[in-house]
Amino acid sequence: QKEVEQNSGPLSVPEGAIASLNCTYSDRGSQSFFWYRQYSGKSPELIMSIYSNGDKEDGRFTAQLNKASQYVSLLIRDSQPSDSATYLCAVNKGNQFYFGTGTSLTVIP
Amino acid sequence: DVKVTQSSRYLVKRTGEKVFLECVQDMDHENMFWYRQDPGLGLRLIYFSYDVKMKEKGDIPEGYSVSREKKERFSLILESASTNQTSMYLCASRRREGYSGELFFGEGSRLTVL
Repeated sequence: QKEVEQNSGPLSVPEGAIASLNCTYSDRGSQSFFWYRQYSGKSPELIMSIYSNGDKEDGRFTAQLNKASQYVSLLIRDSQPSDSATYLCAVNKGNQFYFGTGTSLTVIP
Repeated sequence: DVKVTQSSRYLVKRTGEKVFLECVQDMDHENMFWYRQDPGLGLRLIYFSYDVKMKEKGDIPEGYSVSREKKERFSLILESASTNQTSMYLCASRRREGYSGELFFGEGSRLTVL
């Protein structure tokens, strides 16, 4: 079983719609959770971090964490073509970071 | 702003050559990491360092070594490059364990081994 699993997609949504990205993890001792966005040929950039159960909102982005279900999600509201990228879910425990293989998102104008 | 700088964005090397990838961070972070990223495989940890002169193997250390002589600098060395080491290499840093902060990534070094 992989430490972090994501649906690889591709996920396509029309401009202005809500994009929903999901991630599950296997280690119940995981402490912190991150979403990174990666454009083609570029390095990952942090867009959201979440540490406790519930929702965390930042602009058009909302991260949701459910530790009981070992589930993390990212919602992108009012999706824009510039949101088209691969989104990586990362889970941290101590010095260990585990990454999913990413979900490719395309926002269609 | 945290800045993680990788010395080379693109490199082309020949099989058997020795390759040095340099990474420098300017935020006094204790922990530094080297990953490689390949399509379909995601990010895989090669080595990490939790302090000067300290290092630990990650998931795929074979064929690689590292050096951390100064806190701000973490180097990845390919002693004898092989074609299966063609990849995107990403350096990252963060504060020491116990701080639940994120990894900060450099811009990446795309290595092609012919």
